[in-house]
Amino acid sequence: GIQVEQSPPDLILQEGANSTLRCNFSDSVNNLQWFHQNPWGQLINLFYIPSGTKQNGRLSATTVATERYSLLYISSSQTTDSGVYFCAVEDFNKFYFGSGTKLNVKP
Amino acid sequence: GAGVSQTPSNKVTEKGKYVELRCDPISGHTALYWYRQSLGQGPEFLIYFQGTGAADDSGLPNDRFFAVRPEGSVSTLKIQRTERGDSAVYLCASSLTSGRGLSGANVLTFGAGSRLTVL
Repeated sequence: GIQVEQSPPDLILQEGANSTLRCNFSDSVNNLQWFHQNPWGQLINLFYIPSGTKQNGRLSATTVATERYSLLYISSSQTTDSGVYFCAVEDFNKFYFGSGTKLNVKP
Repeated sequence: GAGVSQTPSNKVTEKGKYVELRCDPISGHTALYWYRQSLGQGPEFLIYFQGTGAADDSGLPNDRFFAVRPEGSVSTLKIQRTERGDSAVYLCASSLTSGRGLSGANVLTFGAGSRLTVL
C-alpha cells in the first residue's frame, strides 16, 4: 500500500502562532484529504485537496501532486485547534492514513 | 441521517465474547468504510462496501472479523472470540461516491467511533 508520512509528530504552539504541517506520500494519488481529530476522537474533514491550494478561514492547504507532498497551514492558532491532524490518501477505495501530527495550542 | 451514527459509543467485554458494532451512514451514501484506530496511531483500513457488497475486505485482520451491510445502508461489524488485542476505536465512514473514474470526489465523513475494550 501507499506509505504516508507526516511531520512533525508533535507540535506545541502559543495561541496566535502560525504553523505548517507536512504530509509526504509514496505514490501518485487522485485523492488526498486532511482531517482534524478533536480531543473527543471525532474526525472532521478539513480539505479534499488532490492538487492545488484551498483556503478555509484560518486554514489553508496545498498539494503538489507531482512531488508527492501536501502542506496544511494553520494561521493565528487558537486553543480549539488542538488535536491530531491526519493526512489520508486514496488508492482504489482504500484510504491510507499517516500517523498524524499532534498539536497542542497553549493559551 | 444528518451524520454517520455509530453504536455503541463504548463497549467493554470479556476475552472470548462476541461483539457487534453498528454503523448508520449518511442517507444516500453508497460507500461505507470500517477503520480501526489504536492509541497514538492513524486509522487503519478494515473493509469497504459499495452498496450491499463488500468490495474490499483485505484489511480484516483474521476470520474472527466479519462485516455485513444487507440492505445497502446500515452496516454491522462482528467480532467473534474477542482478544485483548482487539481493543481499539472502530470508526465508520461513508461517502457519496467512490473509485477512480467516477464523477465526484470520494470525500469521507466519519462517525464518532465505537471504543471497544476487551478485558
